[in-house]
Amino acid sequence: DGGITQSPKYLFRKEGQNVTLSCEQNLNHDAMYWYRQDPGQGLRLIYYSQIVNDFQKGDIAEGYSVSREKKESFPLTVTSAQKNPTAFYLCASSPGVVQPQHFGDGTRLSIL
Amino acid sequence: AQSVTQPDIHITVSEGASLELRCNYSYGATPYLFWYVQSPGQGLQLLLKYFSGDTLVQGIKGFEAEFKRSQSSFNLRKPSVHWSDAAEYFCAVALYNNNDMRFGAGTRLTVKP
Repeated sequence: DGGITQSPKYLFRKEGQNVTLSCEQNLNHDAMYWYRQDPGQGLRLIYYSQIVNDFQKGDIAEGYSVSREKKESFPLTVTSAQKNPTAFYLCASSPGVVQPQHFGDGTRLSIL
Repeated sequence: AQSVTQPDIHITVSEGASLELRCNYSYGATPYLFWYVQSPGQGLQLLLKYFSGDTLVQGIKGFEAEFKRSQSSFNLRKPSVHWSDAAEYFCAVALYNNNDMRFGAGTRLTVKP
């Protein structure tokens, strides 16, 4: 079955540590997205990528970085500069920038 | 400023009762409109979307939504709620494409037996 796989499901970060969240899709979608979800706030866009080797900042990119070296992969690194990283992170993809997005099952990041 | 509002944080309905979840937006032009559903600890699933045309949109799982331009609303409805509909529902709005999509804060639905 085609879909989006996010790993790990749960992740813990120590102070000063960078952590990387994985997102892989086998839907052959061009566009991929990372969202952060906090209770009572809906989803906020961190980064998006419309094609391989290109990505753009979303509304809350500070403290995060991404890469898009392959069409199917769009990993997100939460750096030590992100002072409040505890949240639920969702990866999504879409065939193009207007078509509806498909979402992964998320990674919950917590601070040790 | 562009915004999406879901006025109801939490709604409780009895199984078999009808449901309406509200969504209002503040945009200068008619945007693309979406409703998504999220079960606990999972990602979002698209219920339905409105791009243009017929203002009454049918979706999956028996849901429908009506776009009302005069009220800047896109309310989600279901005639008879099932216990499995208990989840969080998000309205989303995009003016040009997914890159400028805004999500409402969500409405949590509880279904009483």
